Amino acid sequence: NAGVIQTPRHKVTGKGQEATLWCEPISGHSAVFWYRQTIVQGLEFLTYFRNQAPIDDSGMPKERFSAQMPNQSHSTLKIQSTQPQDSAVYLCASSSGGYAEQFFGPGTRLTVL
Amino acid sequence: GQQVQQSPASLVLQEGENAELQCNFSTSLNSMQWFYQRPGGSLVSLFYNPSGTKHSGRLTSTTVIKERRSSLHISSSQTTDSGTYLCALEPTGNTGKLIFGLGTTLQVQP
Repeated sequence: NAGVIQTPRHKVTGKGQEATLWCEPISGHSAVFWYRQTIVQGLEFLTYFRNQAPIDDSGMPKERFSAQMPNQSHSTLKIQSTQPQDSAVYLCASSSGGYAEQFFGPGTRLTVL
Repeated sequence: GQQVQQSPASLVLQEGENAELQCNFSTSLNSMQWFYQRPGGSLVSLFYNPSGTKHSGRLTSTTVIKERRSSLHISSSQTTDSGTYLCALEPTGNTGKLIFGLGTTLQVQP
């Protein structure tokens, strides 16, 4: 079992450019979560899919951020018109369903210049 | 306010000493999870412990729901235990999401 896979590991964008982050959950897991980690804010929840359906996006900034899960093997987080304050480590996690242990990927470090 | 509070914020030990890390929460929960993270590293799940006590090697996790607290005990600390320990809870309501504390940074000196 390869664990949760995230690509790319590092991404550098210029201000105003788009960034797409990819996540492949553990095979057989039905729940996928996205979090963001910064020194100042710590770890913050962004959004959550179960069986590919969006369940909770209460942590997503209302503008410029979107997430999809087109099939059970991958999810994407897209940030349009990136800003320096979007610089963070974006973490994806998966679990087998409700009330279950979450397993995290290595994260994508996004740097917006 | 912060729903999950961890203490201490940082801790320095000599190798061989024991450590007790605390996590207090102000909301009812479905589950509690403890993670370990090295600087620049990924989150490693140590315990999924909604209630009661669990053991794994030199680590012990105890969650007491009525008292709204969870603890992580590290016995006979080693330099390789250095890093940040994070607790996270899943609030009731089947939200799925985890709410994290700010972590305890542990440094074990030889």
